[in-house]
Amino acid sequence: EAGVAQSPRYKIIEKRQSVAFWCNPISGHATLYWYQQILGQGPKLLIQFQNNGVVDDSQLPKDRFSAERLKGVDSTLKIQPAKLEDSAVYLCASSLYRGNEQYFGPGTRLTVT
Amino acid sequence: GQQLNQSPQSMFIQEGEDVSMNCTSSSIFNTWLWYKQDPGEGPVLLIALYKAGELTSNGRLTAQFGITRKDSFLNISASIPSDVGIYFCAGQETSYDKVIFGPGTSLSVIP
Repeated sequence: EAGVAQSPRYKIIEKRQSVAFWCNPISGHATLYWYQQILGQGPKLLIQFQNNGVVDDSQLPKDRFSAERLKGVDSTLKIQPAKLEDSAVYLCASSLYRGNEQYFGPGTRLTVT
Repeated sequence: GQQLNQSPQSMFIQEGEDVSMNCTSSSIFNTWLWYKQDPGEGPVLLIALYKAGELTSNGRLTAQFGITRKDSFLNISASIPSDVGIYFCAGQETSYDKVIFGPGTSLSVIP
């Protein structure tokens, strides 16, 4: 069974530029999560989708971050404009349903200069 | 907000030694999770705990859900080089709530 796929694996941008990350969850998984992991810290949930609806986006900085999961399968996370403090690894995870084990992708390492 | 602390922050041990690490919370959790993250990869779930006082094993790993519901412990017996990585504890108020991660314990194993 294929795992959670993410791309790109690495991205370097200048501050004030925009960037987008893509995630393809495990087939059949209804719940999708985006996490931000700053160096030396644990992952922090940014947004959670159940199918194509948002369940929790309370920690998403909505002035610059947006995410969508239009067809209830893959998802994109966008940052516009990026700030230096957005440098982090962005992890995507999926689970069969809410409350089930989460499976993480390898992440996208973002560096903002 | 809810916050988790892990200790130690990092540890260096000899291959074959046993390892203990713990996690404390400022608030009560009803689910405790332990994850391992290898460099360049996402976290992988090792053990899930659902009941205060519960002791659960997964091979050489044993984890306990503290009776106060504000702490959890992870032990690794007879460490091997592939145990190297960062171990995260995480808590949930219920299994449907968001997962709150601790800052991690970095484990290095000296052959």
